[in-house]
Amino acid sequence: KAGVTQTPRYLIKTRGQQVTLSCSPISGHRSVSWYQQTPGQGLQFLFEYFSETQRNKGNFPGRFSGRQFSNSRSEMNVSTLELGDSALYLCASSLPQGRLGVSNEQFFGPGTRLTVL
Amino acid sequence: GQQLNQSPQSMFIQEGEDVSMNCTSSSIFNTWLWYKQDPGEGPVLLIALYKAGELTSNGRLTAQFGITRKDSFLNISASIPSDVGIYFCAVGIPHGGSQGNLIFGKGTKLSVKP
Repeated sequence: KAGVTQTPRYLIKTRGQQVTLSCSPISGHRSVSWYQQTPGQGLQFLFEYFSETQRNKGNFPGRFSGRQFSNSRSEMNVSTLELGDSALYLCASSLPQGRLGVSNEQFFGPGTRLTVL
Repeated sequence: GQQLNQSPQSMFIQEGEDVSMNCTSSSIFNTWLWYKQDPGEGPVLLIALYKAGELTSNGRLTAQFGITRKDSFLNISASIPSDVGIYFCAVGIPHGGSQGNLIFGKGTKLSVKP
């Protein structure tokens, strides 16, 4: 079974631009979460989508948005890029129902390395 | 906010040695997970723990979910060079009807002794 794929793998943008990142989950997984990873803050949760609906959101400004399509593929968008947005953006997918009703295992893609100049 | 304290921050290993790392929190969690991340890649799930006191193995890796539900440890036995990388603990935060999100520790970086 193919893993989570993310495109592009690397991206260079300048301040003020916007960017769209794409994620294809593992076949059969309907929940997609996005995380930002930086050396200073570590891995931080951005948002989670299930059945094309955002179900949970982390503490990030409104410049960060996302969506999910009917085939479970997801995109995230960052508008008006700032230098501090440089990071590895990770997408994770999981099955729709967690064991024992708690968070299920999440499987990560390789990430998109975004550099803002 | 909720935080996980992961230690040690870094450690050097010599092939054949056993390695131990742990994660603690001030809050109770119902799911503990351990991931490994290699440079330029996303985290890979190693072990998931769902029950307090649970001890689970995956090859040379063994992890335990603390009985208080506030901690977990990961042991690697007979380390080999490919064990090098960054190990993260994570906890699951259920949110309403969603799968919630994961909160991660800061990681333990394993390097080979020079």
